[in-house]
Amino acid sequence: GNSVTQMEGPVTLSEEAFLTINCTYTATGYPSLFWYVQYPGEGLQLLLKATKADDKGSNKGFEATYRKETTSFHLEKGSVQVSDSAVYFCALSPTAGTALIFGKGTTLSVSS
Amino acid sequence: DTAVSQTPKYLVTQMGNDKSIKCEQNLGHDTMYWYKQDSKKFLKIMFSYNNKELIINETVPNRFSPKSPDKAHLNLHINSLELGDSAVYFCASSHRDRGHGYTFGSGTRLTVV
Repeated sequence: GNSVTQMEGPVTLSEEAFLTINCTYTATGYPSLFWYVQYPGEGLQLLLKATKADDKGSNKGFEATYRKETTSFHLEKGSVQVSDSAVYFCALSPTAGTALIFGKGTTLSVSS
Repeated sequence: DTAVSQTPKYLVTQMGNDKSIKCEQNLGHDTMYWYKQDSKKFLKIMFSYNNKELIINETVPNRFSPKSPDKAHLNLHINSLELGDSAVYFCASSHRDRGHGYTFGSGTRLTVV
């Protein structure tokens, strides 16, 4: 079946530290991959996406590369800020007409 | 302009009551969804409509009934509310092409007492 596995949180970092949140997936075919962010009390916002192997999605200093050989889509940021504190969700879209499948989310807490 | 709007934002109600949550999108998307987020932040798809047609109906108690009067609206009606229904319910919309992401509403926090 289709599934997404994310590293367990919480992840606690100091401002300007390097961030990696691991995400691996299981899927048939060639899914599209996404990272969403949820700030406290808000809905989910699309952070970045990649629709085929070796694509790199990027936004607001965050990056993730679609690696088919390792079935991974790890999220990275070179220098985190306090305002990046949120819950991050990795998700995949297996085929047209099926809903996004989300990982369990990883809470990031950044202190100054 | 809010792209996906849900009402109400908060809903506190007693067990056994019937309640509805409304969702509207002004993005011209053809597909809408309801997700449930539990206390551990886990997101689970409940329903999906494409152009007013139900296309995803996960294993959800039949006390939950979605209704889509047109492709811009997707409402969720819940009968005989139970304590375990307490959660945050998110509406989302997208183009059916899987390469597009979803746009989410800000959620409805339902508390059943």
